[in-house]
Amino acid sequence: KQEVTQIPAALSVPEGENLVLNCSFTDSAIYNLQWFRQDPGKGLTSLLLIQSSQREQTSGRLNASLDKSSGRSTLYIAASQPGDSATYLCAVIETSGSRLTFGEGTQLTVNP
Amino acid sequence: GAGVSQSPRYKVTKRGQDVALRCDPISGHVSLYWYRQALGQGPEFLTYFNYEAQQDKSGLPNDRFSAERPEGSISTLTIQRTEQRDSAMYRCASSLVPGQGALEQYFGPGTRLTVT
Repeated sequence: KQEVTQIPAALSVPEGENLVLNCSFTDSAIYNLQWFRQDPGKGLTSLLLIQSSQREQTSGRLNASLDKSSGRSTLYIAASQPGDSATYLCAVIETSGSRLTFGEGTQLTVNP
Repeated sequence: GAGVSQSPRYKVTKRGQDVALRCDPISGHVSLYWYRQALGQGPEFLTYFNYEAQQDKSGLPNDRFSAERPEGSISTLTIQRTEQRDSAMYRCASSLVPGQGALEQYFGPGTRLTVT
């Protein structure tokens, strides 16, 4: 059974800092990996999707990397802003199906 | 364009009552997914559809839970004889094409269910 773990569970940083969120998964037979942002009272917003054949994806200040063989992904946020405060979720789709398996998330607080 | 919508956004019900949660996917999206999220945890898969066909219901916790998508668009998740442990955020997502999810899943705002 696929298990997804995110470290740390919570992170508090001052504005402007660069930071890294970590995601690991136990079964490397994945089709893709998605990073989401969750804001209170709102839905999940997809940030980046990395297909298994890719090593990284970039969008603005966000960069996500994927090392499928070691079962790891990182989300790098450059020059953090208070508006980045949210819970960040990592999820994988295995080659055997279409369901997303999520980690428990990292709650990020960026202090002004 | 319009995203995934869910209704109601909040539902409070008494233990033992039945509830129906609705999901309206993005127009033209073939696949529709239901997830449940407990406080402080990531969403957990319940079931999904391609068009009107339920492809996988292995995540439904017990036979009190059922889902349908009769015309391949709007879906309803029904919980019969609700229990307090059913309290959670229920999330719906849709994606454009079926098969192994190369494309992104787009999530709605969720329905917060509270069973008293």
